[in-house]
Amino acid sequence: AQKITQTQPGMFVQEKEAVTLDCTYDTSDPSYGLFWYKQPSSGEMIFLIYQGSYDQQNATEGRYSLNFQKARKSANLVISASQLGDSAMYFCAMREIDNYGQNFVFGPGTRLSVLP
Amino acid sequence: DGGITQSPKYLFRKEGQNVTLSCEQNLNHDAMYWYRQDPGQGLRLIYYSQIVNDFQKGDIAEGYSVSREKKESFPLTVTSAQKNPTAFYLCASSTGTGFSYEQYFGPGTRLTVT
Repeated sequence: AQKITQTQPGMFVQEKEAVTLDCTYDTSDPSYGLFWYKQPSSGEMIFLIYQGSYDQQNATEGRYSLNFQKARKSANLVISASQLGDSAMYFCAMREIDNYGQNFVFGPGTRLSVLP
Repeated sequence: DGGITQSPKYLFRKEGQNVTLSCEQNLNHDAMYWYRQDPGQGLRLIYYSQIVNDFQKGDIAEGYSVSREKKESFPLTVTSAQKNPTAFYLCASSTGTGFSYEQYFGPGTRLTVT
């Protein structure tokens, strides 16, 4: 079963508007970390934001914020004031404990296109 | 500057040949990972290693092999047994046992096998 679900294969947003990228996760562990990465067409993976399972406040990093709803197992990324350079693939990921230690699980990604 | 290097950026091989992808990090990270990414798809874990001389299979390890003889290095060999080796390969590393530590990624290697 998918541990990370991103239901939006592609999203469009007008420049300067805000956009929300969805992410739901599945784990029975009380301790875990949630991450968002951006992957431009060049291929590199850029870390954007982190949310811990025990964090009371939603994480924010500049124009990025994470809408964390623990009971719903939801960790949506909100990008405010979209810019053309935000066009990229966005991946939600979870760090959790497995039998070997700690591991990362990635979602299938959402392709965001910012329109001028 | 600290970071992860992968070489080469582009790699071309003939079918039936083994090929080794390099991954080096100078971040002093304990854990290292290899992912495969096909066009328009997410990342799939091939192998990962939490400490030197130890590694674990990921979701798609068949046709791949790794070694971890040094903390800094985690080379991936794509063997002739891998049926569809053409893909984008990403190496990553991470530190700490806390959940807040993100993965750092290398620039990736695009492997084309014909």
